[in-house]
Amino acid sequence: DIQMTQSPSFLSASVGDRVTINCKASQNINRYLNWYQQKLGEAPKLLIYNANSLQTGIPSRFSGSGSGTDFTLTISSLQPEDVATYFCLQHNSWRTFGGGTKLELK
Amino acid sequence: EVQILETGGGLVKPGGSLRLSCATSGFNFNDYFMNWVRQAPGKGLEWVAQIRNKNYNYATYYAESLEGRVTISRDDSKSSVYLQVSSLRAEDTAIYYCTREGITLFDYWGQGVMVTVSS
Repeated sequence: DIQMTQSPSFLSASVGDRVTINCKASQNINRYLNWYQQKLGEAPKLLIYNANSLQTGIPSRFSGSGSGTDFTLTISSLQPEDVATYFCLQHNSWRTFGGGTKLELK
Repeated sequence: EVQILETGGGLVKPGGSLRLSCATSGFNFNDYFMNWVRQAPGKGLEWVAQIRNKNYNYATYYAESLEGRVTISRDDSKSSVYLQVSSLRAEDTAIYYCTREGITLFDYWGQGVMVTVSS
């Protein structure tokens, strides 16, 4: 089974900061990685699919990069509405989620 | 507008069974695979089960950790998918999400339904 290690688990940042969240796969998953945002009490929302493709309707401050085993979600300028938990999902070999990153405002 | 709504959660005693339902609208249900994903309190997300569409003979797949205790099914005439879970354990306590699988994977999710297994 492919394991996904997400870091950091918690992140505190200020409005306007550049924020990066990482996911590392235990084996090569090519670009089969998605990023999701989940706000408290809400359903997860797809942000990025296939490592770097922005889902329709998602602000351009969100971007994804990486391939193989190492992936990054970047928020270029943090906004208050970005407070949420973010998690990655690999779909190269079935589906495995990362452990999540809780993002808070400093 | 795509809508996904899970129902059927609640409090169940250990060893009991539960059937979760997921009603959908706003898209051609027949074209999509459907999945269940769960999230235990304070934990990460865990994929539970997938059911493919008619073109793939409604093939079903299950997480190894649950295989033998869960059954996923669908009713295309009702645009609905179901999850039957039996021999429930405390560790099955979780929010269960229904999610659509398009070419971008899990692109739409329901709000989730809480299942609590406790005596």
